[in-house]
Amino acid sequence: DQQVKQNSPSLSVQEGRISILNCDYTNSMFDYFLWYKKYPAEGPTFLISISSIKDKNEDGRFTVFLNKSAKHLSLHIVPSQPGDSAVYFCAASDNSGAGSYQLTFGKGTKLSVIP
Amino acid sequence: DSGVTQTPKHLITATGQRVTLRCSPRSGDLSVYWYQQSLDQGLQFLIQYYNGEERAKGNILERFSAQQFPDLHSELNLSSLELGDSALYFCASSPTGMGSGEQFFGPGTRLTVL
Repeated sequence: DQQVKQNSPSLSVQEGRISILNCDYTNSMFDYFLWYKKYPAEGPTFLISISSIKDKNEDGRFTVFLNKSAKHLSLHIVPSQPGDSAVYFCAASDNSGAGSYQLTFGKGTKLSVIP
Repeated sequence: DSGVTQTPKHLITATGQRVTLRCSPRSGDLSVYWYQQSLDQGLQFLIQYYNGEERAKGNILERFSAQQFPDLHSELNLSSLELGDSALYFCASSPTGMGSGEQFFGPGTRLTVL
């Protein structure tokens, strides 16, 4: 049973336009949501996160929106640049107690930004 | 560069064999996490160690085990290997008390079981 779902395996966007990546989750106990970016042959790199008590977090060109009632979050990249082309993973953190912040990941969305 | 190192980068072995993957966390990080990424799958949490002690277990097979040493490096041992164990194995570390769950990932070890 997938607790974190990214239903779009891929997304293509023109350079300069907005990229919107979506993520749904089922576990109400998740307290943080994170986005990671991954290039081939590299490990995932942290991009941005949001606490479950907030509905928006912004960092430069990247904004994450959280809709708790819908159990949905999205990552907006504006404007999109060719260097943003990568696989984006949505992840959720569940503090199961005693300092364990294990992450549950979605399967990823491959973003291609076309020059 | 995340500051997390993993060796080896690639590993090719045969079914039934045993291998050890090594991870050195970022300086000062006490927590180490291991994840497996199979083809077309997201990263699956395997196990976490905190300052030498096992903290949490995920979908880790009984044939797999891990440990964290006094110098905080960690090893993931995979035994009686099967074809289905072929995957990317990532190690991640996090600072003590990082409530956001942010983890810093190594470059991974690609394991191929033939």
